[in-house]
Amino acid sequence: DTGVSQDPRHKITKRGQNVTFRCDPISEHNRLYWYRQTLGQGPEFLTYFQNEAQLEKSRLLSDRFSAERPKGSFSTLEIQRTEQGDSAMYLCASSAFTGTFQETQYFGPGTRLLVL
Amino acid sequence: GDSVTQMEGPVTLSEEAFLTINCTYTATGYPSLFWYVQYPGEGLQLLLKATKADDKGSNKGFEATYRKETTSFHLEKGSVQVSDSAVYFCALSDQGTGGGNKLTFGTGTQLKVEL
Repeated sequence: DTGVSQDPRHKITKRGQNVTFRCDPISEHNRLYWYRQTLGQGPEFLTYFQNEAQLEKSRLLSDRFSAERPKGSFSTLEIQRTEQGDSAMYLCASSAFTGTFQETQYFGPGTRLLVL
Repeated sequence: GDSVTQMEGPVTLSEEAFLTINCTYTATGYPSLFWYVQYPGEGLQLLLKATKADDKGSNKGFEATYRKETTSFHLEKGSVQVSDSAVYFCALSDQGTGGGNKLTFGTGTQLKVEL
């Protein structure tokens, strides 16, 4: 088990460009979460998937953001027409939900985005 | 809505000193409580957790007790090491609208341990 992986680890882009991040969860984890962390702050929830279904989206997730989890395995987070305010660390976490509150999320190393 | 409040950092201690990082929470339901640690240049790692009142989570010499009456989950360690230098995040999970247990984090407390 290699843990949650994210790619790329760093991304620098110009304002107005589109970017896409990938998250590979721990094998057989059925839930996948995306969070955003800005400098000096704790992570904030963006969205989550149970298998391939996207079941909740934060109001932080504007129309320029879209996330997918085809086939319930890896997930992608796309930001269209990036803005400088999108600069942050994007974190992915996965968990094995078994129907109780005993759920622990395991985080990847994050993708640090800088929008110039 | 749910919220977590942590003591502000940085906290600077000498090696072998006693550590307390305060954390209080506000939640409408019955959350699970977590401490995550973030070492420089790395992702968040789960340090310990507690899922119900009076539970004590412990790991690597760190402890925290879920206190429902004071809505607190303070992190303690009896003797810190230089290698404990990191940012510590208190978090709660509560069931969201879609059934997921999204985490709400505090702002983090940076700990620096000096020789």
